[in-house]
Formats: sequence, C-alpha cells, structure tokens
Amino acid sequence: SYELTQPPSVSVSPGQTATVSCSGERLGNKYVSWYQQSPGQSPVLVIYQNAKRPSGIPERFSGSNSGNTATLTISGTQTVDEADYHCLAWDSTIVVFGGGTKLTVL
Amino acid sequence: EVRLVESGGGLVQPGRSLRLSCTTSGFIFGYHAINWFRQAPGKGLEWVGFIRSRAYGKTTEYAASVKGRFNISRDDSQNIAYLQMNSLTSEDTAVYFCSRVAGSGDHFDSCGRGTPVTVSS
Repeated sequence: SYELTQPPSVSVSPGQTATVSCSGERLGNKYVSWYQQSPGQSPVLVIYQNAKRPSGIPERFSGSNSGNTATLTISGTQTVDEADYHCLAWDSTIVVFGGGTKLTVL
Repeated sequence: EVRLVESGGGLVQPGRSLRLSCTTSGFIFGYHAINWFRQAPGKGLEWVGFIRSRAYGKTTEYAASVKGRFNISRDDSQNIAYLQMNSLTSEDTAVYFCSRVAGSGDHFDSCGRGTPVTVSS
C-alpha cells in the first residue's frame, strides 16, 4: 500500500519560513494537496495540484513537489498559521493522507 | 456558498451498522464526486472512500480498512451522499467528514464539520 510520511512536528519563530515535508515513492508523479486544520476545526485546502493556491489563501503559502518529496512552505509565518498540516496524494483509485504535521509558531 | 453537512453519527455497539448522510447545497451536486474521510481521536486524517459522479457511473473506491464493510451511495435528486457502515469495530471510532471533490478529480476543496461515531459496548 502507498504511504506518505510527514514529520510529526515543526517549530518556527514568527516571521521566519516554515517548511513541512511529505515523502512517498515517486510522489513527484502525483498531484499533492495540503490542508490546514486548526484544533476542533475541519481541514481547509491551502495548496492543490502541488503548487496552486485557492482563492482566499495568503500568498505566504506555497508548495512544490519533485522526486519523492512534496513541500509546503509558509513564508513570514504568523501565529495564526499554527495548526496541523496534512498532505494528500490522489491517484485514480486511491487517496492517501500523510500522518500530519503539527506546526508550532513560537 | 458551498455547504456540506454530515449527520447520523452517534454511539453504536460493535458489530452493528450505522448510516451517515452528507447533505449538500450551493453547488451542482451531480457534477462532483463525493469523498469521505475520518479522524480518530488525536490522530491524523484517514481516507475512507469516494463515489464518482453520474458521468463516471457513480462508481466507488474504498480504503482497504473499510472495503467490504462500508458502502457509499448518492441520491443526486436530493443532493445527498451516504456512507453505510457495517460490522463496526472500535477501530472505526472517529469523526467522519464528507467532502466535495474538485472538478479536476485530484483533491477535495470543501468539507463539512464532521459527525462523530463512537463504537463501544
């Protein structure tokens, strides 16, 4: 079965750049999306098709995907960005989530 | 405004069944696949399955952990999708979310607030 691996936690200081990785075999051949989930809330799409931002998502959120690793980058991280981030890869017949990464801004 | 509302969750005994509903509004339901995923307490997101639109035969795909026990269906006339869950075990305890699959078919772009399911005797 296909698996996606994310670091359990990432810490960043306000104003700095946060990077969250998502690794899987030949992940670069798939489309990856990223979801932000604040405590007690539903997931919100922040990046789709590797690097596209939905309307309403701040420009500080960006994404990339190559080889075996997809990366979510948050530039100029703000305290409001503290949340869990989940990557997702969607094949034609199967959908896989990463384990999620807790982003702490301190 | 795109809206999805899950309902039907609750406490159920192991081995029993439960049917969840996903009531939608604000978009052309029949054009979109509907995806279900879940989140066990303190855990990450886990894909459950999805149903394609009528244009793709309303065919379904399931995660290995639920295949053969869960069934997803849809009523395009009512803009509702269903998740029928059978032979439930404690491992199925989670908050269940339904979500709208984007037209590109490679991500979901909206989801509901979820409905909690607890499997316990």
